[in-house]
Amino acid sequence: AQRVTQPEKLLSVFKGAPVELKCNYSYSGSPELFWYVQYSRQRLQLLLRHISRESIKGFTADLNKGETSFHLKKPFAQEEDSAMYYCALGNNAGNMLTFGGGTRLMVKP
Amino acid sequence: DAGVIQSPRHEVTEMGQEVTLRCKPISGHNSLFWYRQTMMRGLELLIYFNNNVPIDDSGMPEDRFSAKMPNASFSTLKIQPSEPRDSAVYFCASRPVGRSYGYTFGSGTRLTVV
Repeated sequence: AQRVTQPEKLLSVFKGAPVELKCNYSYSGSPELFWYVQYSRQRLQLLLRHISRESIKGFTADLNKGETSFHLKKPFAQEEDSAMYYCALGNNAGNMLTFGGGTRLMVKP
Repeated sequence: DAGVIQSPRHEVTEMGQEVTLRCKPISGHNSLFWYRQTMMRGLELLIYFNNNVPIDDSGMPEDRFSAKMPNASFSTLKIQPSEPRDSAVYFCASRPVGRSYGYTFGSGTRLTVV
């Protein structure tokens, strides 16, 4: 079975501080991992996926298969980063995403 | 492209009433997903369809919930009878078959059962 764990429901930081949103997964196959973001009362949007190795809005995430983690990081948080962040795991067949419980990031001025 | 369209945006209903949520996926997307979002449980997959066929409904809470996809451009999620604990935001998402990164979410329906 596939499982995604985001241990922090809420993360509060000051503007300019580094941010790390934790994500751990459990999956027997080759994982495909994503981060989605949901700004206040808006739809979920894809932020980034591990296969792209990209940086979006200053965020990066590295897949660590040894630690089964896919933590989301940003060196300097901005107030506009305040949102709900979901880590998601895709299965081998590419037909289903399992989401973590989400972490609410609050960036204080 | 208008994206995934859900209606209504908000629904307030009394306990015991039937509620129907609607979703129009993106044209050409073969898979459709219904999710429920609550503060306590986060985002839960309720059911998903491939080519209009229900594939996995193990996330549907109980028999009060049912979902249909009569054609490629329309799906419904029905709750009958509704209960206060059903209050949540219900999201619909669609994507092309076989591309797990291609999810597009709708704006959601905020359901309140009083």
